[in-house]
Amino acid sequence: GAVVSQHPSRVICKSGTSVKIECRSLDFQATTMFWYRQFPKKSLMLMATSNEGSKATYEQGVEKDKFLINHASLTLSTLTVTSAHPEDSSFYICSAASDRYYEQYFGPGTRLTVT
Amino acid sequence: QKEVEQDPGPLSVPEGAIVSLNCTYSNSAFQYFMWYRQYSRKGPELLMYTYSSGNKEDGRFTAQVDKSSKYISLFIRDSQPSDSATYLCAMSDLRTNAGKSTFGDGTTLTVKP
Repeated sequence: GAVVSQHPSRVICKSGTSVKIECRSLDFQATTMFWYRQFPKKSLMLMATSNEGSKATYEQGVEKDKFLINHASLTLSTLTVTSAHPEDSSFYICSAASDRYYEQYFGPGTRLTVT
Repeated sequence: QKEVEQDPGPLSVPEGAIVSLNCTYSNSAFQYFMWYRQYSRKGPELLMYTYSSGNKEDGRFTAQVDKSSKYISLFIRDSQPSDSATYLCAMSDLRTNAGKSTFGDGTTLTVKP
């Protein structure tokens, strides 16, 4: 299957700072990338869908000014959590898909802790 | 009502048992069906995908789709402790964005040695 990497795997930051998470598709061109948030023992919550070269589409209730998404190339998307607060602490997972597949391939996730 | 319903469990079985995991859905436009496995603190891993109705087998795993009943299943034969994880079903309508899927909430499985 296709491989998606995510960096960093774990990050701790102070309240008020910004954190950037990278998502890369290593062996295929991802025309679409997705960003999810997951709370302990809960299901995936889709935050936004991004297509290469276009603005991301955010799900209802997700603040686009707080969660900045950039999909600058067919292999890289970034999620920046701006002015992070403790309630932003969560597990963030990206996934990637292409016109060749209809399934998504997930990254390993990033655990964000805001102190 | 959710588009995809999945019993959250938890489901606990002894090693070697046959496990049946199921999802129901309401959107008849779904044509592409997937099962993901997620270990704790990890991203989901694609296990199997099927298109339209029918069965698909891969080793100890069998995926079944019954579009007439809007019901999909994943069977795990000879279950192992390493199969302990959360299993997520997912579905997509081919007419929407490539890859965008609707996920079930996941079923947590524990296989006891």
